[in-house]
Amino acid sequence: DQQVKQNSPSLSVQEGRISILNCDYTNSMFDYFLWYKKYPAEGPTFLISISSIKDKNEDGRFTVFLNKSAKHLSLHIVPSQPGDSAVYFCAASRAAGNKLTFGGGTRVLVKP
Amino acid sequence: EPEVTQTPSHQVTQMGQEVILRCVPISNHLYFYWYRQILGQKVEFLVSFYNNEISEKSEIFDDQFSVERPDGSNFTLKIRSTKLEDSAMYFCASSEALQGVGQPQHFGDGTRLSIL
Repeated sequence: DQQVKQNSPSLSVQEGRISILNCDYTNSMFDYFLWYKKYPAEGPTFLISISSIKDKNEDGRFTVFLNKSAKHLSLHIVPSQPGDSAVYFCAASRAAGNKLTFGGGTRVLVKP
Repeated sequence: EPEVTQTPSHQVTQMGQEVILRCVPISNHLYFYWYRQILGQKVEFLVSFYNNEISEKSEIFDDQFSVERPDGSNFTLKIRSTKLEDSAMYFCASSEALQGVGQPQHFGDGTRLSIL
């Protein structure tokens, strides 16, 4: 299932700098998008979401941008902290349905 | 903060045996889900459940799988006759409402199922 893709399997960033994670989707019926963070041996933890009627949503250090014409979303983490080191998944769903379709994840390493 | 709890954390079962994975969703949530992640692959949707019935299921969720909410708090996934390819991490999730009204799904820490 390639409907949601995260093309960068890993990202390394210096503490205090910006982390930018990207996600592309192909299904134009998706209208709700989420980012989850996952530590080893734990389940995905919800971070931030955005609906298709918006192009930006911000929550503290986390901002999600949505470009519907490009079918692309990104997650910005500013400033990055060592505790942000984890795997980040983007996920998408249709308003009328409720299943999440996940990307393959991006492993982020924040170096002190 | 309320959380979804799953038991056991690790289940080892012989091929052909039945297995039941258990979940306690967040108490005021109405929608319940099972996902799985085979090692090295994406998290994939199995089934969603609302108002005591399945609302959506994937093609993975065949006749070997069933879900049940036996009481007011538990939500279970049963695999009737396990196969080697059922080995995966199984995640339970719950949400207050459908995604269309902006309520995210919250996940448990998963049950690692190993079929021998």
